[in-house]
Formats: sequence, C-alpha cells, structure tokens
Amino acid sequence: QVQLVESGGGLVKPGGSLRLSCAASGFTFSDYYMTWVRQAPGKGLEWVSYISTTSSFTNYADSVKGRFTISRDNAKNSLFLQMNNLRAEDTAVYYCARGTYIFYWGQGTLVTVSS
Amino acid sequence: ENVLTQSPGTLSLSPGERATLSCRASQSVSSNYLAWYQQKPGQSPRILIYGASSRATGIPDRFGGSGSGTDFTLTITSLEPEDFAVYYCQQYGSSPYTFGQGTKLEIK
Repeated sequence: QVQLVESGGGLVKPGGSLRLSCAASGFTFSDYYMTWVRQAPGKGLEWVSYISTTSSFTNYADSVKGRFTISRDNAKNSLFLQMNNLRAEDTAVYYCARGTYIFYWGQGTLVTVSS
Repeated sequence: ENVLTQSPGTLSLSPGERATLSCRASQSVSSNYLAWYQQKPGQSPRILIYGASSRATGIPDRFGGSGSGTDFTLTITSLEPEDFAVYYCQQYGSSPYTFGQGTKLEIK
C-alpha cells in the first residue's frame, strides 16, 4: 500500500534552517508529481510547493519563495524540502503528498520556529 | 494567485440533513481542476472529489461535487455522524495551487 513517511521536523530558532525528508513506498515514485502542504496549529491547509516527476518543474507559494527548495531523488524514492531563513509563521505540520490533487498524504512532521 | 473563498465558515446541521458547501474562486479555475478534502481532528486530509465532480475511490455516493468556472459546490445529501469534520477545496489548475480556508461542519 502507498506510504509516505515524513521526518526531519523539530524546534529551530528564527533564521535557522531545517531539511524535511519524505520516504515513499508502495508505488512507482518516479511516475508522480509530489507536493508539500503545511498546516499551522489550529489553522487551515496551505499549499507550499510541488515538483514534477523529473524535477524539471517546481513551484512555490509566495510565502516561501526564495527561502524553501523542493527536491527529489527518484533512485531513493525520496522527497525533500530544504527550509532556510525560517520564521515564526513557518511553524506548522508539514505534509508530504502524492500528486497535484492529493490522493495520498503522509502523517505530517511538526516544525516549530521559536527562540 | 487564485484565491479560494469557502462559505459558510461554520455550518451547523443534524444527521440526516443535507449539507451544501460553497467554494468561490477569484479567477476561473482552469479545466475545472478543483478538489475537495475532508479533515478530521488529528488526521491527515482525505480526498473526496477531484475534477470538480469526480468522486474518489471509496467515497460514498452521498458526497457530490458540482460547478465550473469560479463557483463550486460540495453537497452531502444525508449527513452521517462521521461526516462532521472540516472541508477544504483546492484548485490545481494554475500555479501556485491554493486551498480555501475551510468550512467546519458541526453537529447541531
């Protein structure tokens, strides 16, 4: 069955960096666009970024453009999100998700940006 | 950016009643690429509808999506106790893809 398992979340100070990873299994990873979505505590869903199958195309929400970088390693069935210059408003659960409309979601990893 | 506005913010209904949730886009949604998701507390979202009106696998037929252009609707014909949750629409027709702010469906 399809599984998406995020890791790499934690507590980081404002201005710091963090790299999230997502391990995918149960499907042909290289066949699918992949997406990151986040959800601040008690708030709604916010689309963050997507990456195409061969990494040719990426796109970002305005709120993270220039600070976050999405990437993937198809040989290792893995998705990544490099987050730099983190701000308090980046505090959220970050979900790894398959596709551009999302049939499969991970369980999420919590990122907390606080001094 | 295509901004999605969902209404109402909160909908209070009883089991067995019909629920109508609205999602309005600031620009026409390309190819009606609009999805609906359900999220329960402590859980990841679950897709209900994609392409504005196609039901995802395993979704009961009491859930229906309709609309085109800038106005979309999710209808739940007869509410079951497990349907009380938060619902989000998402457009994936133009980047950046965006979500609505959500409608909370609560038990009256």
